[in-house]
Amino acid sequence: DSGVTQTPKHLITATGQRVTLRCSPRSGDLSVYWYQQSLDQGLQFLIQYYNGEERAKGNILERFSAQQFPDLHSELNLSSLELGDSALYFCASSVGGGVSYNEQFFGPGTRLTVL
Amino acid sequence: EDKVVQSPLSLVVHEGDTVTLNCSYEVTNFRSLLWYKQEKKAPTFLFMLTSSGIEKKSGRLSSILDKKELSSILNITATQTGDSAIYLCASPLLSNFGNEKLTFGTGTRLTIIP
Repeated sequence: DSGVTQTPKHLITATGQRVTLRCSPRSGDLSVYWYQQSLDQGLQFLIQYYNGEERAKGNILERFSAQQFPDLHSELNLSSLELGDSALYFCASSVGGGVSYNEQFFGPGTRLTVL
Repeated sequence: EDKVVQSPLSLVVHEGDTVTLNCSYEVTNFRSLLWYKQEKKAPTFLFMLTSSGIEKKSGRLSSILDKKELSSILNITATQTGDSAIYLCASPLLSNFGNEKLTFGTGTRLTIIP
């Protein structure tokens, strides 16, 4: 158990809908990262927040947005869902804001299925 | 283009064998390389290698960074069925937005046969 929690574990929804995924980082970690893992794309970085501020961006779609709250938990919002958004979404956390020397600890993931 | 490439894609060995997994990187301004193990769900952190820490060991697992060959290997000795997993290597790369992002290779799926 990494100490990172994610809810829900599974989510099934229809195309065009909007969902919110939630993540709580390990105690003491200030950075939260969001990743998408699909069979054909592997593990892809979406976005990072550090102490409430957006720190780094990957190839996150405009339909997706995230935020980190004062208690450091984070939410990833996915809207106008398409079939191709079906994937495993991971949250990770680390102590510092830099990527190079801070190991990231991953949550159990949320499996999103879009029908 | 910066990238992280792993080989082989898949490996099947018998329990007790020793395996070597490879990760090569082409990274501008290399800083670190990380290894993760992914079983059914979340990747779990194994090692971080940097220019000042090129060799790490934990039990039956060890990893070495070869800065000349721009590669890293992950060795697992006396393999057990619990070692069956996908092993991922990753390195921080510059994103299109000019910030660093952890970029993962496609992984090596290791299967240990009892």
